[in-house]
Amino acid sequence: SQTIHQWPATLVQPVGSPLSLECTVEGTSNPNLYWYRQAAGRGLQLLFYSVGIGQISSEVPQNLSASRPQDRQFILSSKKLLLSDSGFYLCAWSGQGANSPLHFGNGTRLTVT
Amino acid sequence: AQSVAQPEDQVNVAEGNPLTVKCTYSVSGNPYLFWYVQYPNRGLQFLLKYITGDNLVKGSYGFEAEFNKSQTSFHLKKPSALVSDSALYFCAVRDVTSGTYKYIFGTGTRLKVLA
Repeated sequence: SQTIHQWPATLVQPVGSPLSLECTVEGTSNPNLYWYRQAAGRGLQLLFYSVGIGQISSEVPQNLSASRPQDRQFILSSKKLLLSDSGFYLCAWSGQGANSPLHFGNGTRLTVT
Repeated sequence: AQSVAQPEDQVNVAEGNPLTVKCTYSVSGNPYLFWYVQYPNRGLQFLLKYITGDNLVKGSYGFEAEFNKSQTSFHLKKPSALVSDSALYFCAVRDVTSGTYKYIFGTGTRLKVLA
């Protein structure tokens, strides 16, 4: 069966520090991969998605970036964090078919101080 | 553009009573609709999906959803609510028109089941 791993679960970082969040998927190949941010426990904001290795689409211009160095690995990065980057970050994957649901990791709670 | 709307921020229901969480959609072409549940500090869990076929879709944990094309709705239902159903619920539609296959989420409805 497929599983998705996301780490760390919580992170406290000072303003101006770098960020690296990692997500890996097991049990499937060539998944679509997504990074979402959820603020204040409500709406989901799509940050990046990827349909293949090295293919990244950005939805929101900001100081975050994403990379997909391997088929089932998706990394969210920042060179210098801002206070506004605080939030709950969720990685997800889906199959290629239109009827494939999204499957989410357990999320990373990032607090920028 | 594809979109979904969840008109209620919060729904309160007594344990044992039926529950409904509302969702309406706007899509061009055939809708691919999903419901997710989120418990505190966790990722979203997939409950059910509508692609085509029967208008009543059954999913996990006793949930079902009714697709209504004329009303462009996809309401989540459960015949008898449990306190453990208290969570945040999201409706979503998959955008298949742009070729990107992105998922568009509603703003979420908080369900509170009262003992």
